[in-house]
Amino acid sequence: GDSVTQMEGPVTLSEEAFLTINCTYTATGYPSLFWYVQYPGEGLQLLLKATKADDKGSNKGFEATYRKETTSFHLEKGSVQVSDSAVYFCALSSGWLGTGRRALTFGSGTRLQVQP
Amino acid sequence: ETGVTQTPRHLVMGMTNKKSLKCEQHLGHNAMYWYKQSAKKPLELMFVYSLEERVENNSVPSRFSPECPNSSHLFLHLHTLQPEDSALYLCASSQEGDRGFSGYTFGSGTRLTVV
Repeated sequence: GDSVTQMEGPVTLSEEAFLTINCTYTATGYPSLFWYVQYPGEGLQLLLKATKADDKGSNKGFEATYRKETTSFHLEKGSVQVSDSAVYFCALSSGWLGTGRRALTFGSGTRLQVQP
Repeated sequence: ETGVTQTPRHLVMGMTNKKSLKCEQHLGHNAMYWYKQSAKKPLELMFVYSLEERVENNSVPSRFSPECPNSSHLFLHLHTLQPEDSALYLCASSQEGDRGFSGYTFGSGTRLTVV
């Protein structure tokens, strides 16, 4: 079945450092790929997405490129801030539930801690 | 209000209690979901309602009972829970149609503690 593998955290960085969080996936067909972010005490928020190979999703200085050849969707940011401290989830959408509703498969999440 | 709203934000209940979690979406979406988020575990899909039809995850215990009275409201009724059911319960909604699929919009969750 479909699966998403993320690097284990926590990832601890100093402010203004470069961020990479790795995400690889296994899926049949042609999934859409997503990054969600969860701040403390909150639900998940969509950060960015890409729907086909070589697409680049971007938002709030974060970027991720859909790499079909390496089945990857790594999240990057050039200069992190303390406010970026959160848990980041990679997800894919390809499978179909019984009613024809798309299912999202999530990775286990990577905690990012940014120190001043 | 906009987005997906969940109430209550926090809930403490005994194992013999009956309580309900409420979710309301103001986005005009046509599907709603319940997820369970436990410490050190992946997100678990519990239930899906699409156009008020339920798709159920067979591994969810019967002490969890969902209800979707209309496309904007979703409930999760809880009874005789166990301490291991303590978790963050997340509601989400989505829209799928001519414009394709844009992912889920999540609520802030209900932090449930079973004592």
